[in-house]
Amino acid sequence: DAKTTQPPSMDCAEGRAANLPCNHSTISGNEYVYWYRQIHSQGPQYIIHGLKNNETNEMASLIITEDRKSSTLILPHATLRDTAVYYCIVHTNAGKSTFGDGTTLTVKP
Amino acid sequence: GAVVSQHPSWVICKSGTSVKIECRSLDFQATTMFWYRQFPKQSLMLMATSNEGSKATYEQGVEKDKFLINHASLTLSTLTVTSAHPEDSSFYICSAVLAGGRTDTQYFGPGTRLTVL
Repeated sequence: DAKTTQPPSMDCAEGRAANLPCNHSTISGNEYVYWYRQIHSQGPQYIIHGLKNNETNEMASLIITEDRKSSTLILPHATLRDTAVYYCIVHTNAGKSTFGDGTTLTVKP
Repeated sequence: GAVVSQHPSWVICKSGTSVKIECRSLDFQATTMFWYRQFPKQSLMLMATSNEGSKATYEQGVEKDKFLINHASLTLSTLTVTSAHPEDSSFYICSAVLAGGRTDTQYFGPGTRLTVL
């Protein structure tokens, strides 16, 4: 499974959009991009996933570049409860997940 | 929907004892469950992949005789830490993948914090 690179930390003002980047330059054609987040001392929570088209759900939007080598998770109106570690993972439908260090997002009032 | 539970949520045990952790998918069937371990301030480390009705597949460096995994049904997988030692103290997290689903989205349990004295 392809590896991902994320910035170790980011800050965001409450109410503003949080844009979390992820680089996955070695992604294969059949690998999906998944985003999860982990709030302190809890199990990770699924956010969104995509293959090549942009996706949106009630939690976030996922923008995948045309070459699929990078993506951005967008939380449109960040709240204090969105403070968490965000993990970007790529794998095939049959593949296991390898978690990197993720991005620690801190939403500030 | 897609709720995964773990029991117990925390456990303290003496060195040398065995501890069993249960992972249940409450409202869906899961052909595959994963077991992770997370040390403080570190990311999740995959320990093993558990498939219903077959032997678990362990990651390199994970002792299969120490971490016994049983996936007896489509809604239950158990992890038994045998002869636990202080270095086994960690946060153990399971995840489940919806059987027959279109994708392999993982739904995670809340985790079990193990402390070995």
